[in-house]
Amino acid sequence: ILNVEQSPQSLHVQEGDSTNFTCSFPSSNFYALHWYRWETAKSPEALFVMTLNGDEKKKGRISATLNTKEGYSYLYIKGSQPEDSATYLCASSNTGNQFYFGTGTSLTVIP
Amino acid sequence: DAGVIQSPRHEVTEMGQEVTLRCKPISGHDYLFWYRQTMMRGLELLIYFNNNVPIDDSGMPEDRFSAKMPNASFSTLKIQPSEPRDSAVYFCASSLRRTSGGVDNEQFFGPGTRLTVL
Repeated sequence: ILNVEQSPQSLHVQEGDSTNFTCSFPSSNFYALHWYRWETAKSPEALFVMTLNGDEKKKGRISATLNTKEGYSYLYIKGSQPEDSATYLCASSNTGNQFYFGTGTSLTVIP
Repeated sequence: DAGVIQSPRHEVTEMGQEVTLRCKPISGHDYLFWYRQTMMRGLELLIYFNNNVPIDDSGMPEDRFSAKMPNASFSTLKIQPSEPRDSAVYFCASSLRRTSGGVDNEQFFGPGTRLTVL
């Protein structure tokens, strides 16, 4: 069983602030790291998939990095906007195509 | 494509009753996943299928839970008998198989079924 941990559990930031979250995962049998954005009353939507150590992905103001050797990934949001308010989930998949999700970081951006 | 379709969207039932949740994956996807979301435990993988075959059901909480995938376009998750602690949102997700280049394919989630067992 993989234990995927995310921190912080929740976060409140002012509009315009930049912020980041952490996802840690066991390195053994690692295959890929996924980040999802989950708005209240909706389904999780995929943001990024990363597989290689040192991978960096970017989508607009959101970016992510991956360190498979030490087992962590960071998600960065530059210049947070109220519409960024959501829960950000990370999931680690192993070579057996099993996915293990963290409990998420709940972000609230205050206008 | 309409995306992953789940039904019903909401289900309220009494303890002891049988509950059946349904999922239609995205056409052409090889993998289908059932998840349960609760406040205490977050998103938990219950079971997943590859080409209609159950691969890993280690997340299924008890024998009261069962899942089937009779064909590539339909899956069910059944709880019999249901208990109040089964109250949660149940998500179905589907994905393509991993590519030969080793890129992991994202999962597409359905809207979820909110189950309340009284």
